[in-house]
Amino acid sequence: EDQVTQSPEALRLQEGESSSLNCSYTVSGLRGLFWYRQDPGKGPEFLFTLYSAGEEKEKERLKATLTKKESFLHITAPKPEDSATYLCAVQGVLTGGGNKLTFGTGTQLKVEL
Amino acid sequence: NAGVTQTPKFQVLKTGQSMTLQCAQDMNHEYMSWYRQDPGMGLRLIHYSVGAGITDQGEVPNGYNVSRSTTEDFPLRLLSAAPSQTSVYFCASSYIGARGYTFGSGTRLTVV
Repeated sequence: EDQVTQSPEALRLQEGESSSLNCSYTVSGLRGLFWYRQDPGKGPEFLFTLYSAGEEKEKERLKATLTKKESFLHITAPKPEDSATYLCAVQGVLTGGGNKLTFGTGTQLKVEL
Repeated sequence: NAGVTQTPKFQVLKTGQSMTLQCAQDMNHEYMSWYRQDPGMGLRLIHYSVGAGITDQGEVPNGYNVSRSTTEDFPLRLLSAAPSQTSVYFCASSYIGARGYTFGSGTRLTVV
């Protein structure tokens, strides 16, 4: 059974204070690892897909990296508008169910002035 | 291009009532799915479909039915609502393959 564990559960940063969110996973052959952003009262918004260890992707102040056991979402010089819950999900080769994703419970990030 | 549209946004049901949550997408995605999101439990898959006429159960299917008669629509039916079904429900769609989902804005359901 695929599993995803995210840490920390909550993170409070000052504007400009860089940090990283962690996503540890176990999966029956990784097909893809996904990062989403979710604002209160809204659906998750797709950020990145990573496919193999060593891969990195960037978008503005966010950078996602992947190893064989975990992924990190690095936030550089965050701004208050980066405040949201960040979700990690995996899709396994042997998971079945078409495009089924297994989600973590998320990291709630708050960036203060 | 509206993406994934869910209706209604909010709903209150009495125990035992039935209802249908609507989901429509205009991206010609083959894959559609329903998730529920509860505090501390993450998103859990209820039912999914890989194309018109094809549906299957996810992780928490009990008490829910789905059908997919067209590529665009994937309604979720609650047969006899229970307080345990109080949750936020999200519909998501994607192309088949390791692709990111597009999520709807959610339906917040309360069963009293």
